[in-house]
Amino acid sequence: DIVMTQTPLSLSVTPGQPASISCKSSQSLLHSDGKTYLYWYLQKPGQSPQLLIYEVSNQFSGVPDRFSGSGSGTDFTLKISRVEAEDVGVYYCMQSIQLPPTFGGGTKVEIK
Amino acid sequence: QVQLVESGGGVVQPGRSLRLSCAASGFTFSSYAMHWVRQAPGKGLEWVAVISYDGSNKYYADSVKGRFTFSRDNSKNTLYLQMNSLRAEDTAVYYCARDSNFRITIFGVVIIGSFDYWGQGTLVTVSS
Repeated sequence: DIVMTQTPLSLSVTPGQPASISCKSSQSLLHSDGKTYLYWYLQKPGQSPQLLIYEVSNQFSGVPDRFSGSGSGTDFTLKISRVEAEDVGVYYCMQSIQLPPTFGGGTKVEIK
Repeated sequence: QVQLVESGGGVVQPGRSLRLSCAASGFTFSSYAMHWVRQAPGKGLEWVAVISYDGSNKYYADSVKGRFTFSRDNSKNTLYLQMNSLRAEDTAVYYCARDSNFRITIFGVVIIGSFDYWGQGTLVTVSS
């Protein structure tokens, strides 16, 4: 199985400041079809996960512009340009280039 | 709007069975592959299984293979997860989720898309 490693485990951010989460995969997520199968999800407290970013850098419908994704191959980053109070929760990266789809361990984001 | 509502969770003894359901609405259910993903208390997300849009293809995590069976009834817009021989380590919140772009290539490679909509989850507790 592909192992997804997220850092840091937790992040405490002042509102209005940027935040960045790293995700590394044990194998390249670039498929022969040219797509890279890396996703980002946010699980807010007490809620189910929600999709933020698909295929590395595409914002899902309704996701604020302050969220952006980047990376290639095995190294990926989720950035929040200016953290807001509603962004608290656990962020997960996920790969789906190969069965089984696997998730990173999660990064907990808190507000200072 | 897309809605996924899970049900059927509860407390069950080890070795017993339970069936979860997921009722879908707000989209053309029969056009989408669907997943079950679970989350043990205080832990991260673990993929459980996927079923193709017509139910003809199913894939399972090794941890549940041979014990869980995923099915769907497109006439009722409903998914089912039959869980047999339950173990303590199956204790988790079980979410159903829609796959945005599932396909199987001509070479038989399964491509999973994003999980673009999730239900609220149903808690399964396996305990004596």
